[in-house]
Amino acid sequence: QKEVEQNSGPLSVPEGAIASLNCTYSDRVSQSFFWYRQYSGKSPELIMSIYSNGDKEDGRFTAQLNKASQYVSLLIRDSQPSDSATYLCAVGGYNKLIFGAGTRLAVHP
Amino acid sequence: DGGITQSPKYLFRKEGQNVTLSCEQNLNHDAMYWYRQDPGQGLRLIYYSQIVNDFQKGDIAEGYSVSREKKESFPLTVTSAQKNPTAFYLCASSIQGAPGRWTDTQYFGPGTRLTVL
Repeated sequence: QKEVEQNSGPLSVPEGAIASLNCTYSDRVSQSFFWYRQYSGKSPELIMSIYSNGDKEDGRFTAQLNKASQYVSLLIRDSQPSDSATYLCAVGGYNKLIFGAGTRLAVHP
Repeated sequence: DGGITQSPKYLFRKEGQNVTLSCEQNLNHDAMYWYRQDPGQGLRLIYYSQIVNDFQKGDIAEGYSVSREKKESFPLTVTSAQKNPTAFYLCASSIQGAPGRWTDTQYFGPGTRLTVL
């Protein structure tokens, strides 16, 4: 069974700090990787996609991918209370995405 | 406005009833997906379809059925055989069409919350 693992949290960070969210996956041949944000009671929304090793930055968000270590992470700089949500890591397989259970982030003022 | 719509937002089912959840997209995406999410849990794949008139079982298909008669529509029926249907149901779509290709970004509808009375 191909798996995606995330620490369930909660990860608590003060406002303005960097939040670091991590994800490991088991399928070595995976080619596409995604981070979704899900507010309580709402559907997931895409934050970042990454396909190549290294870093990809978009505003306050940076996704990092290391295929050799089968590891993908999301950094949120200058965290805001509005970033408080569950962050889902998803890994692309053939024909479908495999989702982790999510990490709950709490940003406190 | 392009997007994915799901209806109803809330649905209540009595024991022994079949209910159908609607999912429509105007993104011209080939692939569509149904997921179930239980409180505090991740997304579990129920069914997916990559082209019209074809669909595949996901990880938890028992007690569910789907159809894909039109590219824009992928309704999910929760049958009476599904013993624990109370959950948040999410529909998604992606551009990917050809079977066997790596899955690209999926975009989600707003969800339907189903409760068994």
